[in-house]
Amino acid sequence: DTGVSQNPRHKITKRGQNVTFRCDPISEHNRLYWYRQTLGQGPEFLTYFQNEAQLEKSRLLSDRFSAERPKGSFSTLEIQRTEQGDSAMYLCASSLSGSSAGANVLTFGAGSRLTVL
Amino acid sequence: QKEVEQNSGPLSVPEGAIASLNCTYSDRGSQSFFWYRQYSGKSPELIMFIYSNGDKEDGRFTAQLNKASQYVSLLIRDSQPSDSATYLCAVKPNDMRFGAGTRLTVKP
Repeated sequence: DTGVSQNPRHKITKRGQNVTFRCDPISEHNRLYWYRQTLGQGPEFLTYFQNEAQLEKSRLLSDRFSAERPKGSFSTLEIQRTEQGDSAMYLCASSLSGSSAGANVLTFGAGSRLTVL
Repeated sequence: QKEVEQNSGPLSVPEGAIASLNCTYSDRGSQSFFWYRQYSGKSPELIMFIYSNGDKEDGRFTAQLNKASQYVSLLIRDSQPSDSATYLCAVKPNDMRFGAGTRLTVKP
């Protein structure tokens, strides 16, 4: 297993365009998280899945953002009608769920950097 | 009130000193607490986690948790220049929430 994989690593787009990011988690991990991080800030929670179910979505997230995890494996994050304020690093992380020691430890991907011109 | 609060720093300590990083959280239902380290331009990586009140030691790192005070801290003993990074506190009520991070610089 090569860890959490994210694609593309970099995306430059014009304002108003749609973009989609993909995340392939560690195969045995049932939880998958999306975060957004801007310079000097911690990761901001966007949404998370347990298997294919989206369990929570940040209230700060506008309707332009949508995420899917159709078969409980990889996930996509789509941003419609991008705005300059969407420019950030989009981080995906995966984990196991449960109460055992080490469960819920997040393993992060390298991130997808979005620049909106 | 932010869900997870950390002093943004920067915190500067000399090599060999103890670095103390602090974090408070708002959700009393939180059960799991994590410290991550993030080097500039890299993704966060786990340092350690703590679930129970008290201290937990792992090498040069000690995590301290006080659920009554809603406070968690990280001590780094014998700080090294390679410890220079941003340290993120993360708290899990249901999902995982991060603080803004404390930037630590260890000066040789």
